[in-house]
Amino acid sequence: AQSVAQPEDQVNVAEGNPLTVKCTYSVSGNPYLFWYVQYPNRGLQFLLKYITGDNLVKGSYGFEAEFNKSQTSFHLKKPSALVSDSALYFCAVRDSLSGNTPLVFGKGTRLSVIA
Amino acid sequence: GAVVSQHPSWVICKSGTSVKIECRSLDFQATTMFWYRQFPKQSLMLMATSNEGSKATYEQGVEKDKFLINHASLTLSTLTVTSAHPEDSSFYICSASGQENTEAFFGQGTRLTVV
Repeated sequence: AQSVAQPEDQVNVAEGNPLTVKCTYSVSGNPYLFWYVQYPNRGLQFLLKYITGDNLVKGSYGFEAEFNKSQTSFHLKKPSALVSDSALYFCAVRDSLSGNTPLVFGKGTRLSVIA
Repeated sequence: GAVVSQHPSWVICKSGTSVKIECRSLDFQATTMFWYRQFPKQSLMLMATSNEGSKATYEQGVEKDKFLINHASLTLSTLTVTSAHPEDSSFYICSASGQENTEAFFGQGTRLTVV
């Protein structure tokens, strides 16, 4: 079975400071990892993914994430936070590349960037 | 990225009536679509996997007679909430991915309020 843990319900950071949103995963096979962002009353927007290759993945809006196999983590990072980054962030995993398998989501982390 | 359109964005209905939500993949073909339900401040809960031309696969605890799913074409899946009750009020989100996509793309979500 697959699972994702996002240990923080809420992350607060000052504008201009670096941000980190944590994610750890558990999967029996190869992990395929994703980050999504959700704004109020909207669907999820894709930020980035790790499939294979370089452990540091760069995505949309200046976000990046680092895959760490030994720690089974895939933390989301951004060097300098913006107020507009305030939203709900979801980490997700699946153990297959097939589009026929659903993503398993973490509970989400609410990011609040304070001006 | 690929576009998934979900309609309506919000709907208010009376108890006992049925509501249909549409999910369309606009620029790719999706043999599989997924329906999720999201409660306030919580993660996405997978309700069912919708397969084109065949019956949907429901997750444990989801009533298939209440949440009717039809996937009549490679670009359209519908979720019908039958005999809606106030406890069915929630945010419903669909997702899909094409053959060449590893990530899933999400509709805008539908806010259902049953009064």
